[in-house]
Amino acid sequence: KAGVTQTPRYLIKTRGQQVTLSCSPISGHRSVSWYQQTPGQGLQFLFEYFSETQRNKGNFPGRFSGRQFSNSRSEMNVSTLELGDSALYLCASSLGTMNTEAFFGQGTRLTVV
Amino acid sequence: AQSVTQLDSQVPVFEEAPVELRCNYSSSVSVYLFWYVQYPNQGLQLLLKYLSGSTLVKGINGFEAEFNKSQTSFHLRKPSVHISDTAEYFCAVSGRDNFNKFYFGSGTKLNVKP
Repeated sequence: KAGVTQTPRYLIKTRGQQVTLSCSPISGHRSVSWYQQTPGQGLQFLFEYFSETQRNKGNFPGRFSGRQFSNSRSEMNVSTLELGDSALYLCASSLGTMNTEAFFGQGTRLTVV
Repeated sequence: AQSVTQLDSQVPVFEEAPVELRCNYSSSVSVYLFWYVQYPNQGLQLLLKYLSGSTLVKGINGFEAEFNKSQTSFHLRKPSVHISDTAEYFCAVSGRDNFNKFYFGSGTKLNVKP
């Protein structure tokens, strides 16, 4: 079956702009989580959506937001981009219940210039 | 909340030698533990996980890990590494009360030399 699909794979944006990243989970999965990976801070949890509701949230400023659609596809948005937002953004999909595995996409590499 | 410490940022090892990647965690609640591998420009792939039961967990590609509750450790081992094991390895923990929120360690780069 198809894996987790993230689009686009690469993105270059200018400071102050906003960006939207997309994640299509594995068919049947209802949970999508987002992570930011940077060399300095490592992998950090952004938020999790389950059945269109935000179920968990990390410690990121309000410029980072997300949503999930009825087909479980998820988007995350970053407004007023800063240079420090340059990172690999990973999404993970799972059934959303205990004891189930999370599958990661290949990520979107965002560069802010 | 939980946290994970991977003490070794880089581990060089010769092909066919054994390797151990160390992981320690802290948590105020019962946890689930995971090891993921990341190849360059790729996402994360699950190697193995500890949810409950036997403390020795076997994963893919010949890797195994042992959960030690008293030492709050979950070290990853492989008896004989291959060049293709060269990658970055991440230990992760989630609380049983928040099982889909992973806390990752800083990663260990395994460099297998011929």
